Amino acid sequence: SAVISQKPSRDICQRGTSLTIQCQVDSQVTMMFWYRQQPGQSLTLIATANQGSEATYESGFVIDKFPISRPNLTFSTLTVSNMSPEDSSIYLCSVVPGGGSYNEQFFGPGTRLTVL
Amino acid sequence: KQEVTQIPAALSVPEGENLVLNCSFTDSAIYNLQWFRQDPGKGLTSLLLIQSSQREQTSGRLNASLDKSSGRSTLYIAASQPGDSATYLCAASLVGLVFGKGTKLTVNP
Repeated sequence: SAVISQKPSRDICQRGTSLTIQCQVDSQVTMMFWYRQQPGQSLTLIATANQGSEATYESGFVIDKFPISRPNLTFSTLTVSNMSPEDSSIYLCSVVPGGGSYNEQFFGPGTRLTVL
Repeated sequence: KQEVTQIPAALSVPEGENLVLNCSFTDSAIYNLQWFRQDPGKGLTSLLLIQSSQREQTSGRLNASLDKSSGRSTLYIAASQPGDSATYLCAASLVGLVFGKGTKLTVNP
């Protein structure tokens, strides 16, 4: 397993601003993912963030809106840019210890974002 | 495009009852299927992982089965307890996970 922390745990932001969410893992992991959970909805994959390569975005998500950094094997950031109320969601990072898509995925506690 | 469906959306049972949660997926080309629970205001807790080559996995009172050919998985909870009350999510793994909308379980004392 892995112990994952996220900062901030929650935030309230104004329309048009940006917020950077941090994800820290207690061990080195190759595969890291970012998800969004909109109110009353299930989780949707935003992007895959593997160290040493550009993030891969899912359909409907673009780098200009959700830039991701992955500077090392224990850390990643997701920025939500030029926010609107529709961006109000819980944002979660997850990791796959040991690498490989066959292995169990573990999630951080999430960042609850409210955009006014 | 993979789609994951969970039935029922909500379930309320008395304590001690055995229950089954259902999950179906449209694309059988998955690496694995994972079951999670989500408690209000908290993150996801991984319950069980079934590899694509496996038929079932067990952990305590939980048993999950996988039938890739029919695109179905079930989570069986034995002797339910009030502490089992949560939303249960199934997720099919390709690269990242594709989630169902969940089953909200309430176990009444």
